[in-house]
Amino acid sequence: SQQGEEDPQALSIQEGENATMNCSYKTSINNLQWYRQNSGRGLVHLILIRSNEREKHSGRLRVTLDTSKKSSSLLITASRAADTASYFCATDSTGNQFYFGTGTSLTVIP
Amino acid sequence: KAGVTQTPRYLIKTRGQQVTLSCSPISGHRSVSWYQQTPGQGLQFLFEYFSETQRNKGNFPGRFSGRQFSNSRSEMNVSTLELGDSALYLCASSFQLQTGELFFGEGSRLTVL
Repeated sequence: SQQGEEDPQALSIQEGENATMNCSYKTSINNLQWYRQNSGRGLVHLILIRSNEREKHSGRLRVTLDTSKKSSSLLITASRAADTASYFCATDSTGNQFYFGTGTSLTVIP
Repeated sequence: KAGVTQTPRYLIKTRGQQVTLSCSPISGHRSVSWYQQTPGQGLQFLFEYFSETQRNKGNFPGRFSGRQFSNSRSEMNVSTLELGDSALYLCASSFQLQTGELFFGEGSRLTVL
């Protein structure tokens, strides 16, 4: 499978703490994206990082990309209860489909 | 700007029946892709349409089919339903093919009894 793999599968933290989740993939990519999904809902795009970028920020989100290790990490700082959701990474390569990982389930305890 | 609209949101079918799901993309988006989401398998790519043509297809049996109309609206059909087809079916639209941000609908939750 060319799917990405998120790690950990589940993460539980206290409100205010930082949450870090990782994504590994298998093939060369053009871009890597992170999405959030609230229970039973559609996915919402969070951030896109291109293969020639190493780090990107958006509000409380920080994404890093290491193409040599074929891995990415998503850091959510100062977490809130509203951040409770599943987080997915998605990769795409030329002429190919998007591949989604299996997701990290994040629980932020108030 | 209206988001991606999927109908119906919930449906229950029995084995052997067929089902058609509909997806209206964001206005101006020409690419529509479909995903099946199950607890054990995560998001699995079904197919992608762009300008009424299927551009890419995932590893699903021929019972799963789709089409796209000239207004970019898309439908997917599953024939001869099996219990394992129970899932959340997600549609996503984007402006271009296979690149950039995907905008997802809320999904159609199919239960096969």
